[in-house]
Formats: sequence, C-alpha cells, structure tokens
Amino acid sequence: GAGVSQSPSNKVTEKGKDVELRCDPISGHTALYWYRQSLGQGLEFLIYFQGNSAPDKSGLPSDRFSAERTGGSVSTLTIQRTQQEDSAVYLCASSYQSGIGETQYFGPGTRLLVL
Amino acid sequence: SQQGEEDPQALSIQEGENATMNCSYKTSINNLQWYRQNSGRGLVHLILIRSNEREKHSGRLRVTLDTSKKSSSLLITASRAADTASYFCATDARDTGNQFYFGTGTSLTVIP
Repeated sequence: GAGVSQSPSNKVTEKGKDVELRCDPISGHTALYWYRQSLGQGLEFLIYFQGNSAPDKSGLPSDRFSAERTGGSVSTLTIQRTQQEDSAVYLCASSYQSGIGETQYFGPGTRLLVL
Repeated sequence: SQQGEEDPQALSIQEGENATMNCSYKTSINNLQWYRQNSGRGLVHLILIRSNEREKHSGRLRVTLDTSKKSSSLLITASRAADTASYFCATDARDTGNQFYFGTGTSLTVIP
C-alpha cells in the first residue's frame, strides 16, 4: 500500500479484556513508532522499533502494554487487562530510517474505547 | 519532560487571513517539525526545520525557529477553509534523537 495502515480503525472493549492493535508500515521503512493520543491531548510516545535492534520501550506506561514487530515489518501493540484510562487513539508511524530529521508517516490510528 | 507546547490552544479566523501558531520546547533539539491532523485522521508532515536554520518556507507555510528562546512559529498565509485542522509541533531532543515529542496542538478553524 501507499501509506501506513492500522487495524482495526475502532475498537470497543470491556474493562479487563486484552486488545491487539495492528500496524502495517510503509514497505521498506525500517523505523516504526507507536504513539497514544488521549482526547484533547498531544501525542505520547510509547515505543520505537529500528530494524533488528532492541526496541525503545521507554514510553510504555505500564507492564500491561507490550509490542512486537515481526520480520521487521508488521507491528502489534497489545494492551492486557484494559482500563478505562487506556481509551485513546493509538497512532502508528514509520520512517525510512531512524535518526535526525527523518519524516514520520502516520497511519489513521485505532480509536480504542474501554467501557 | 521534553515536550513542545503550542499556543494558542485554539484559533478561529476568517478565510483569507493569516494564522500564526507558536511552539515552545524545553531542551536543545536537532530538528523541529510541524504536523497537521485533520479530524479523525492521522498526522501529515508539513515541514521540518533544522536547529541551524532560522526560517523555512513551503507554499503558504512559513516556519521560524529561535533556538535561543526555544520556540518556533508556523504561519499559514491566505488561509482557506481546508486549512481547518489541528497543528502539532514535534521536537527530537539532542540526547534522544530517536524519540519525538509532540505538543498538545493548536486547533485552527478557518471560517469561510
């Protein structure tokens, strides 16, 4: 595809359930980022993958959050035992490579609502 | 934390007027980028300005950077209704170049 895609576009779940969010980056992009945007707030960095290097997990808010990137391409963000405060839009972005001045291309996001 | 803060939080102008948004950040940066987000959609990259640049133009956009004040401004000239969106600045701190920090954004409404 031409851009970053994310699925599902919307997800409603009950408190305590696990959810998986998927991101398909632009082909050939080695860097992949996950962000969270709560209502009326800016973007909050969650995690970053670069090639085969160990991911930068410094932004994950708790151990209920984890992410994988298989084969250097598709990434899955998993939230276990969801809480109402997890409700937000989760945005994925990719860039050709990491580092200074690389433009990030964003997907449309997954809107998560935890009831 | 290193985070851009945009100001104003919301701006409403008439079509044809210029819109100016400001961004302030806390620590030394490599670059500053401006992004736009239409309602319900992902972000689109608008422009990047490097720390050794003071001004940059792209179409109707003009970005300035003052590293001494740790601030940047985005000017949209001759605004159009289609410019209605939220605008975010993003910075990458010198010591954590891989991580971008976004502000809370300025919500711009251009009234036709």
